[in-house]
Order: sequence, then C-alpha cells, then structure tokens
Amino acid sequence: GENVEQHPSTLSVQEGDSAVIKCTYSDSASNYFPWYKQELGKRPQLIIDIRSNVGEKKDQRIAVTLNKTAKHFSLHITETQPEDSAVYFCAASWTGGYNKLIFGAGTRLAVHP
Amino acid sequence: DAGITQSPRHKVTETGTPVTLRCHQTENHRYMYWYRQDPGHGLRLIHYSYGVKDTDKGEVSDGYSVSRSKTEDFLLTLESATSSQTSVYFCAISSEGHSTDTQYFGPGTRLTVL
Repeated sequence: GENVEQHPSTLSVQEGDSAVIKCTYSDSASNYFPWYKQELGKRPQLIIDIRSNVGEKKDQRIAVTLNKTAKHFSLHITETQPEDSAVYFCAASWTGGYNKLIFGAGTRLAVHP
Repeated sequence: DAGITQSPRHKVTETGTPVTLRCHQTENHRYMYWYRQDPGHGLRLIHYSYGVKDTDKGEVSDGYSVSRSKTEDFLLTLESATSSQTSVYFCAISSEGHSTDTQYFGPGTRLTVL
C-alpha cells in the first residue's frame, strides 16, 4: 500500500545552522506534497507545499525540493532559530482523490541557542 | 484557523463505553477527515467524507464509525472504546479544486480510555 518514510526522526542543530528533512513516497501517482509544522500541544500547521510540476519552491528561510523520478522530497530550513523547534511532518497525496494525504512519522527538530 | 472546532477538547472514559467526537466547520468545505496521532506514527487517516452522507474508510478504520448528516458536522464514534484508542484525534477539512486542496486541521481532542 501507499507509504511515506521520513528521516531523520530527530534532528538537533545549533542556531543559525541549516536543517534538512527527507521523505520518500511509494505511490507514483502522488502529485501534491505538503509539509506541516506542529508545536507542542498545537495542531499541525501547513508551512509549505509543492506540486509535481515544480522541482523547487522557496518561502523565506524554508524551501522544498521534489525529485519525482526518485520519489523523494525534502524540506530545507536555513538560518535556523529556536522558534523553528517543533515536529515536522511530510505528506503525499493518496491515490483515489478526495484530497487524501498519507503522512510520514514526523521529525522532531531541536534548535539550540 | 479555517473555522474548524472540535468538541470535546479533552475526554477521559472507560473501556467499553461509547464515545462520540464532533468536528464542526463554518466555511462550507466539501471534504472532512478524521485522523489519530500517536507517537512514532504521525497522522493516520481513520475515515473521511466527500459530502453529506458520503463517507469512506481510511488506513485505520477498525473500531470507528462516522456520520455526516450536515455539511458542517462530521462525527466520529467509538462504539465500544478500548485502551488502544487512547490518542489525540484531529479533524481536517479541504475544498475542491487545484490550489484549494490543502488540508487544514482543527485543534484536536485528547482522548484517554482507562
């Protein structure tokens, strides 16, 4: 069945460093790939997304890249700040429509001052 | 926050009792979803709805049922709660059309089954 693998499960960086989180997906029909950030006790919030007709997308310090041939996509955060500390989830659209998503297991990012 | 509310926000119940969680949205979104979130598993889809009275199963539907009698309300029912259903439950919504298919989440319900 459809699956999204996310790595690493935990990531610790110093403030100002870059952080990279990688996901691979199994469904070759997936065409939409959002990333969510979840702070402790809060709901997941969309931070950036990319569609299959685009290879890269940037929004200030956040960027996402997509390699459809290899079926993987990555989140890049530059100049990390303590407020970037959170759990990040990748997701891929699920075959069958209705905007269904399948999620990775999450990456806990800790940014140390 | 896309006009989504969930109730209750916290609930403690006993094994074997029925439990119903409610998701309410105010912006007429067509699609609604129920997820559960557990450590190490991310968000897993339980059931989803693509219109009034139109629902289908997700990845982890066993032990759960849903109903959608009005566009704005999507109910998740645990007919006989078990300890394995202790989790945080999130409702989400999305709409039709390119660039409007993003899912937005409600605030969550923390359910503890003793």
